[in-house]
Amino acid sequence: NAGVTQTPKFRVLKTGQSMTLLCAQDMNHEYMYWYRQDPGMGLRLIHYSVGEGTTAKGEVPDGYNVSRLKKQNFLLGLESAAPSQTSVYFCASSYRGVRETQYFGPGTRLLVL
Amino acid sequence: GEDVEQSLFLSVREGDSSVINCTYTDSSSTYLYWYKQEPGAGLQLLTYIFSNMDMKQDQRLTVLLNKKDKHLSLRIADTQTGDSAIYFCAENTGGFKTIFGAGTRLFVKA
Repeated sequence: NAGVTQTPKFRVLKTGQSMTLLCAQDMNHEYMYWYRQDPGMGLRLIHYSVGEGTTAKGEVPDGYNVSRLKKQNFLLGLESAAPSQTSVYFCASSYRGVRETQYFGPGTRLLVL
Repeated sequence: GEDVEQSLFLSVREGDSSVINCTYTDSSSTYLYWYKQEPGAGLQLLTYIFSNMDMKQDQRLTVLLNKKDKHLSLRIADTQTGDSAIYFCAENTGGFKTIFGAGTRLFVKA
């Protein structure tokens, strides 16, 4: 079991560029989440999904889009990157709801210049 | 509003006990969590406590909950260098919103 994996591990973008972060889990979890972690702050929920084909907005969804075409994958897209999106992005998954144990990926560090 | 606060840094000597404190604001919180984050890794759930409990013990970890003061603590007995990490307190009141604190960096001196 690989658990939750994220690609890439690190990326540098210029303002206005686009990119997609990929999250994959092999635990057959229904629920998947995208968080961002900024210095001195806790994790903030960007978007989440309660099953294949579903997505919903979290606390800070602006500037991001997501897709869950396959149960095991959850993609986070930045259409036009901004310096304010410089952060560490974590994907997580859980069997059912958020009260279930969430399993986190190792994170993607994104720098937007 | 909703907020989870914790001190940012704690330093202890190897073998001592560590106590990491957290305060939360939402009295309707039903689940409270402690996560551990090691360098370059994601968060790992250490333990959690239901709001109807006062204490939970799991090997070297003891969680104390004071609902009146909205105070949560994590005690690590016999702290080891491998316990050096960032510890996050988090609360969930239902739904899909878990509020995380900013994390307490624990430094264990040999």
